[in-house]
Amino acid sequence: RKEVEQDPGPFNVPEGATVAFNCTYSNSASQSFFWYRQDCRKEPKLLMSVYSSGNEDGRFTAQLNRASQYISLLIRDSKLSDSATYLCVVNRNNAGNMLTFGGGTRLMVKP
Amino acid sequence: NAGVTQTPKFQVLKTGQSMTLQCAQDMNHNSMYWYRQDPGMGLRLIYYSASEGTTDKGEVPNGYNVSRLNKREFSLRLESAAPSQTSVYFCASFLDRAGNTIYFGEGSWLTVV
Repeated sequence: RKEVEQDPGPFNVPEGATVAFNCTYSNSASQSFFWYRQDCRKEPKLLMSVYSSGNEDGRFTAQLNRASQYISLLIRDSKLSDSATYLCVVNRNNAGNMLTFGGGTRLMVKP
Repeated sequence: NAGVTQTPKFQVLKTGQSMTLQCAQDMNHNSMYWYRQDPGMGLRLIYYSASEGTTDKGEVPNGYNVSRLNKREFSLRLESAAPSQTSVYFCASFLDRAGNTIYFGEGSWLTVV
């Protein structure tokens, strides 16, 4: 089993839809979590960090469920510009900040 | 403020040749990383360095070596390139403090023929 797993998609949604992605991690020692966005052939860019209490940034909401070992990303009112691959990242802090990426979930927002 | 810079951006190698990818960061981060990304896949960790003077294997270290030359620089070496090492390579740096994030270089496109 991979340490960090995501549904690869693609998720095809119409503009204005709400879409949610999950990311599961296997190592319970993981301490910090991030969502990154990657556009084709570009370096990943930070979308948001994921805090224990959950956090929101505009149309984006991230949640952490430590008991079930997953993080989630909710995108409301999808825009065409949201089309990208979304990568979750898990930091296994007890392994010297070993940052492990999921395989990514591809989102395509259609007009 | 350059962030993370990696060179070269593009390289074509013949099978068996060697080369070194260079990476430098100017943010005084402790941790640095090398990832590879194959088409349609996520980033896989090759090696990382939690701090100056230390290096550790990631998920796919075979065929690679690394050097943490100083706090700023972390290089990745392919001693004998193979076609299976054709990929996009990303260098990254990170400081584990609240509110910090992972910074990436722009990527190095390597083709081994």
